[in-house]
Amino acid sequence: EPEVTQTPSHQVTQMGQEVILRCVPISNHLYFYWYRQILGQKVEFLVSFYNNEISEKSEIFDDQFSVERPDGSNFTLKIRSTKLEDSAMYFCASSGQGDHNSPLHFGNGTRLTVT
Amino acid sequence: KNEVEQSPQNLTAQEGEFITINCSYSVGISALHWLQQHPGGGIVSLFMLSSGKKKHGRLIATINIQEKHSSLHITASHPRDSAVYICAVVGSGGGADGLTFGKGTHLIIQP
Repeated sequence: EPEVTQTPSHQVTQMGQEVILRCVPISNHLYFYWYRQILGQKVEFLVSFYNNEISEKSEIFDDQFSVERPDGSNFTLKIRSTKLEDSAMYFCASSGQGDHNSPLHFGNGTRLTVT
Repeated sequence: KNEVEQSPQNLTAQEGEFITINCSYSVGISALHWLQQHPGGGIVSLFMLSSGKKKHGRLIATINIQEKHSSLHITASHPRDSAVYICAVVGSGGGADGLTFGKGTHLIIQP
């Protein structure tokens, strides 16, 4: 069965550094999402992306965050200047159609640790 | 903003028991997802439903839109069902804020 893949599985970075988290969604999917989960807390929506532009974003997704689909397969989340509170598990997901009213396929996540 | 509450927060049961996990929400929705998060952190979508009932293997999900409540049932539970089960809802406005997640129910099935 096709999978959403995320790399790296674990990233450690220093405060103030830029990080790029990478995702390869399922190939025929059209809608892409990023979520994050701070340790011990619930999963939170960050952003959704369709047709090469952001379709929705949460309050968390401020100017420090950006997303891009640089080619036909990758979907990236960039954090420009990381803060300690950005430490979390970041999940990418994709779906074939519609908004969140469609089954979601999640990647295994990237654990980001900001020191 | 939708408030999503799950109960119980933690549940330990013996293998073979029938399991029920509940989810309630405060504002009308267009759809509800049940997700399973494995101990390693990965998330798997179990169900997406907007009315009625869905069944997949030993898992059954129901939703009552009027009562703003959904349940996830596991029949003949097995230790491999041990995971965190998460309820997430889509607002009736079409998901302008994306999914809103519950805190999850941590399920342990003992052999």
